[in-house]
Amino acid sequence: SQELEQSPQSLIVQEGKNLTINCTSSKTLYGLYWYKQKYGEGLIFLMMLQKGGEEKSHEKITAKLDEKKQQSSLHITASQPSHAGIYLCGADDNTGKLIFGQGTTLQVKP
Amino acid sequence: KAGVTQTPRYLIKTRGQQVTLSCSPISGHRSVSWYQQTPGQGLQFLFEYFSETQRNKGNFPGRFSGRQFSNSRSEMNVSTLELGDSALYLCASSLRTGTLNGQYFGPGTRLTVT
Repeated sequence: SQELEQSPQSLIVQEGKNLTINCTSSKTLYGLYWYKQKYGEGLIFLMMLQKGGEEKSHEKITAKLDEKKQQSSLHITASQPSHAGIYLCGADDNTGKLIFGQGTTLQVKP
Repeated sequence: KAGVTQTPRYLIKTRGQQVTLSCSPISGHRSVSWYQQTPGQGLQFLFEYFSETQRNKGNFPGRFSGRQFSNSRSEMNVSTLELGDSALYLCASSLRTGTLNGQYFGPGTRLTVT
């Protein structure tokens, strides 16, 4: 079965610093989704990527799906305390099942 | 448009009991998916219902079951609760089935089993 592996598992950065979170799939990705979650709450959709090489940005967050469609990265520029939370990648495994990475916990120190 | 709502938000149960969680989707959405989130296993797909039929199922024991009503509201039931069932249970609704595309998540129900 397909699996998603996220790295790092946790991250502490100083406010204003850039950071990158990676999501690697064991199989070809047909749709890769990034979410943000505040502890104990629901998921907030950030971005969806479908085509190899696709890159999307929203405010200071950029996500990219590599050409071979097995890895995605989420980059945050000039991090702020409001960026703190858990970032999850999710995917359609093409059999109807929906899978997620383990999540990356981000802390931003003021 | 109102978002996805889940009730109750918090629940404490004892081992061996059963529990029913409820999810009301966004108006017009016919697909409801359920997920379990724990610190150890992360976010895992339980099952998905579309137009009152279970369309997809994750790898969970038969103690976990669900159903969907004609108004698309869905319930999830866990029988013979175990300590390991303590988790955040999330539901999400969408127009389409079998994809995360267009899924909107509810705030979750925090279940604690003692």
